[in-house]
Amino acid sequence: QLQLQESGPGLVKPSETLSLTCTVSGGSISSSNYYWGWLRQPPGKGLEWIGTIYYSGGTYYNPSLKSRVTISVDTSKNQFSLKLNSVTAADTAVYYCARDNSRYYDSIGGFDYWGQGTLVTVSS
Amino acid sequence: DIVMTQSPDSLAVSLGERATINCKSSQSVLYSSNNKNYLAWYQQKPGQPPKLLIYWASTRESGVPDRFSGGGSGTDFTLTISSLQAEDVAVYYCQQYYTTPSYSFGQGTKLEIK
Repeated sequence: QLQLQESGPGLVKPSETLSLTCTVSGGSISSSNYYWGWLRQPPGKGLEWIGTIYYSGGTYYNPSLKSRVTISVDTSKNQFSLKLNSVTAADTAVYYCARDNSRYYDSIGGFDYWGQGTLVTVSS
Repeated sequence: DIVMTQSPDSLAVSLGERATINCKSSQSVLYSSNNKNYLAWYQQKPGQPPKLLIYWASTRESGVPDRFSGGGSGTDFTLTISSLQAEDVAVYYCQQYYTTPSYSFGQGTKLEIK
């Protein structure tokens, strides 16, 4: 059974960089069939897609966050990571990593496996 | 960008009754070459990550009870729960993946028991 687990600091100071890692187990991040994504959810609010990466390193970002986001992959560790710089209180959210099953036009689509999420609070 | 708008924002339905949630996209998510709608529905219970319920607008993910059904095409979609159970209390989201790998979600609909 595929599992994803987010890890990283739960508290980040304003103007600093938020860094999270997603560790994938029970399957290979190097599968050609999938993308891997980061999403977030501010407390009491809806879901926001942050960005997506392919195992070869191709990345796609939400235009509203693109100037501050970097997503990278480490296939040797079966992990992918998120960096969000210049954070403010508005970046306080539960951050999720997920498998994106939309790689091909006939893939089923959607995010079909999710981590449990990690709350990151931006505060001094 | 495709904007997804759900209605209503919240909904209270009696146990055993039908619940219907609407989702409208700002442009069509129907891919003409395969006649599939690139629309997914998720269920999120408190303290849990979202769970994929339906993809291709109407195909249930494995293990999802058949009281959940999805319908619609083009720009207008519905998620219907035919007979509401207590465990269905959750927030439901629609998501378009027509512009994969760039995505957008609806704002969510909170479903409660009346």
